[in-house]
Amino acid sequence: DADVTQTPRNRITKTGKRIMLECSQTKGHDRMYWYRQDPGLGLRLIYYSFDVKDINKGEISDGYSVSRQAQAKFSLSLESAIPNQTALYFCATSEPLAGLGTQYFGPGTRLLVL
Amino acid sequence: DAKTTQPNSMESNEEEPVHLPCNHSTISGTDYIHWYRQLPSQGPEYVIHGLTSNVNNRMASLAIAEDRKSSTLILHRATLRDAAVYYCILRDSGTYKYIFGTGTRLKVLA
Repeated sequence: DADVTQTPRNRITKTGKRIMLECSQTKGHDRMYWYRQDPGLGLRLIYYSFDVKDINKGEISDGYSVSRQAQAKFSLSLESAIPNQTALYFCATSEPLAGLGTQYFGPGTRLLVL
Repeated sequence: DAKTTQPNSMESNEEEPVHLPCNHSTISGTDYIHWYRQLPSQGPEYVIHGLTSNVNNRMASLAIAEDRKSSTLILHRATLRDAAVYYCILRDSGTYKYIFGTGTRLKVLA
């Protein structure tokens, strides 16, 4: 079984709808991240969480919110989806502070906002 | 935040070595240099990392300039399965955030 899973893998929604992307991990890591990737571009950090009570904004948090329900679960919400949020979304976890911070990525969620 | 600069694309012949360059002229003294690659339709995966010294692992080698302002990822014998986008990333020493650039798309020719 994959260490980092994302659901759904693909989603089509309409402008103005609220949607949630979910991420679960079995690696036992405290740190989790949400990124988005646009065609031909690298990954940009949306939010990151160092533990259940610690959530931080990344480069492009506007229009997004997150929830860290448990150590293993980190959800990304689009409160009112808009077309320019069409992108590939990746969740990642990383080793603890004492480690070297290697990140482990999920398979991605492809989101299309019409 | 320190940034990295990589060529947009490179080509290599199969079973030949590949040298992927990265410039990071504003790197701070405690930033680690990480390399990840993203195969088609997958999330990025870890390749190698280093701080000051050259590093080797089963996947690749990392050569770091003495002034740390540039580094080179070396694939000793490229295979078709190495075709991917390769990201050179600086890990922020304070927050452990990764700062991704646009990466280098490596094409391996049979």
